[in-house]
Amino acid sequence: QSALTQPASVSGSPGQSITISCTGSSSDVGGYNYVSWYQQHPGKAPKLMIYDVINRPSGVSNRFSGSKSGNTASLTISGLQAEDEADYYCSSYTRSSTWVFGGGTKLTVL
Amino acid sequence: EVQLVESGGGLVQPGGSLRLSCAASGFTFSDYWMHWVRQAPGKGLVWVSRIRSDGSITSYADSVKGRFTISRDNAKNTLYLQMNSLRAEDTAVYYCARVYSGSGAFDIWGQGTMVTVSS
Repeated sequence: QSALTQPASVSGSPGQSITISCTGSSSDVGGYNYVSWYQQHPGKAPKLMIYDVINRPSGVSNRFSGSKSGNTASLTISGLQAEDEADYYCSSYTRSSTWVFGGGTKLTVL
Repeated sequence: EVQLVESGGGLVQPGGSLRLSCAASGFTFSDYWMHWVRQAPGKGLVWVSRIRSDGSITSYADSVKGRFTISRDNAKNTLYLQMNSLRAEDTAVYYCARVYSGSGAFDIWGQGTMVTVSS
């Protein structure tokens, strides 16, 4: 199972919005609404930010939103804040009853 | 407090074995599917394995199939990962994670345990 494709890095200034893409195939992202997004700060465990494409867990800021079109899912962060600087990973359930993660995107807040 | 705590990591020689444990607390462990995810130093997250709440269904990534075995003891609220025939490329931090009920996401993660495979 190949990793989902994410940009290696994105950046934005405080207050701006950024979008991170996550491209898979019809066997994973495109075939199921089980796409999730995780935030990971250095040396820390990942934190769930979006589940099942569009849903936010309790306690996650509404500045984070998710969407999907075809085989590509996206995470949008609006009103960027310094604390948003982290690595972000997407994940999807697959046709093989396994899970696959994206390669990760490093978000830099300028 | 809902919590997962991994243990059992360490240094092991290539071809060796190791068993990781993940102790759960603060929730009804037997109600949840559980997973293992690993992260090599400086690299991304990689899914490893999953197990159904009652232990009746398991799945593995191709890279570990036949070498790793996931199991659980619901009476002890503990998840396990038995790792055999270890290779250098298995070197990573291993996280256990709980499935967010009814979804395909992992809502609770442990702090991770480091496994180093080296001679």
